[in-house]
Amino acid sequence: QVQLVQSGAEVKKPGASVKVSCKASGYTFTSYGISWVRQAPGQGLEWMGWISAYNGNTNYAQKLQGRVTMTTDTSTSTAYMELRSLRSDDTAVYYCARESSTAEFDPWGQGTLVTVSS
Amino acid sequence: QSALTQPASVSGSPGQSITISCTGTSSDVGGYNYVSWYQQHPGKAPKLMIYEVSNRPSGVSNRFSGSKSGNTASLTISGLQAEDEADYYCSSYTSSSTLHVVFGGGTKLTVL
Repeated sequence: QVQLVQSGAEVKKPGASVKVSCKASGYTFTSYGISWVRQAPGQGLEWMGWISAYNGNTNYAQKLQGRVTMTTDTSTSTAYMELRSLRSDDTAVYYCARESSTAEFDPWGQGTLVTVSS
Repeated sequence: QSALTQPASVSGSPGQSITISCTGTSSDVGGYNYVSWYQQHPGKAPKLMIYEVSNRPSGVSNRFSGSKSGNTASLTISGLQAEDEADYYCSSYTSSSTLHVVFGGGTKLTVL
């Protein structure tokens, strides 16, 4: 079955960086894009950006430009999201999701909690 | 860019029908048939329930249906069941230069 499995929870200090992985299985990795979505505690969903697993093209939310980098490793069908200069308001559950050409996300990874605290 | 507008909460009794609205602009909901709906239970990842305004993925109950009129999309759940109690989010492709996809703020559905 189509599945996305993410790396485990992280605790980081303000100013540090975090890199979350998302390993895909059950489909041809390069036939879809991967979007990253985050959810702060008790809050709604926020789209962070998208990467084409076919050619590596990216599209980042303007508010995160300069702090976020999304990459893929097609040899292992894994997507990565790195967020730098972490702040307390970056504390959230980070999800990866397979994105179709019609902008729906299915399936989602299980989520990775990133806590930013001094 | 502001999120799409959803009611914060809706409620209904078992067996009843409810509708959740999702209002955007001509740059997102009104301009494209790329509206999706997601169900999220506490502590779980979101699950796709509707895509391209009104299509149901395989395995999703036909009690869930979607529609769109102008800049407003809607999710209707008929024959409410206890397990439908969850948060629901809409999303849409957007032509905004600052985003690619925009989400609604979410609606908490309570089954009374």
